[in-house]
Amino acid sequence: NAGVTQTPKFQVLKTGQSMTLQCAQDMNHEYMSWYRQDPGMGLRLIHYSVGAGITDQGEVPNGYNVSRSTTEDFPLRLLSAAPSQTSVYFCASSSPLGQGAGNEQFFGPGTRLTVL
Amino acid sequence: RKEVEQDPGPFNVPEGATVAFNCTYSNSASQSFFWYRQDCRKEPKLLMSVYSSGNEDGRFTAQLNRASQYISLLIRDSKLSDSATYLCVVRANFGNEKLTFGTGTRLTIIP
Repeated sequence: NAGVTQTPKFQVLKTGQSMTLQCAQDMNHEYMSWYRQDPGMGLRLIHYSVGAGITDQGEVPNGYNVSRSTTEDFPLRLLSAAPSQTSVYFCASSSPLGQGAGNEQFFGPGTRLTVL
Repeated sequence: RKEVEQDPGPFNVPEGATVAFNCTYSNSASQSFFWYRQDCRKEPKLLMSVYSSGNEDGRFTAQLNRASQYISLLIRDSKLSDSATYLCVVRANFGNEKLTFGTGTRLTIIP
């Protein structure tokens, strides 16, 4: 299994450009999420999905769109890039929701985005 | 107040020493607790879950104090390979996979 994969690894955009960050997992996980990580801020949840066709907003959703047409894929779209969106973006997935101590979230390797 | 607070460090500790990290959380309804490890420029990976009775995994011991809303991680006989950032992570509800992350504590083990 490849686990969680993300493309691209690095990206430079100009203000106002749009782009899509790709995320895919091959573990048949129902739950997928996008985080951004900034110095001194920790990981913050952007959007998440509990299954195909279902998405919801996290803590910092403004400026981002997501869709979940399949279990495997969860792309993140930047509609009109701004310098404030310069960050490292991580996609994560976990196994079906349930009771107990919680299921491990598996993270992709990240996308480093710079917006000029 | 941040939902999950950690001392950012850095902690510079000689090899073989014991080091402890603390974390506090603000939501008293939180149900699940974890420590994740993040190496420089890499993704976070689960180190261990934290159970109410405390739990141990080799050189690592995690403790939870629900009354004080406090989580700790103890690393004994520290190795050079333990150098990383340690993230305290809290999940609010059973059946809800949303996690809240602390900003992390950076640890460097010195030879």
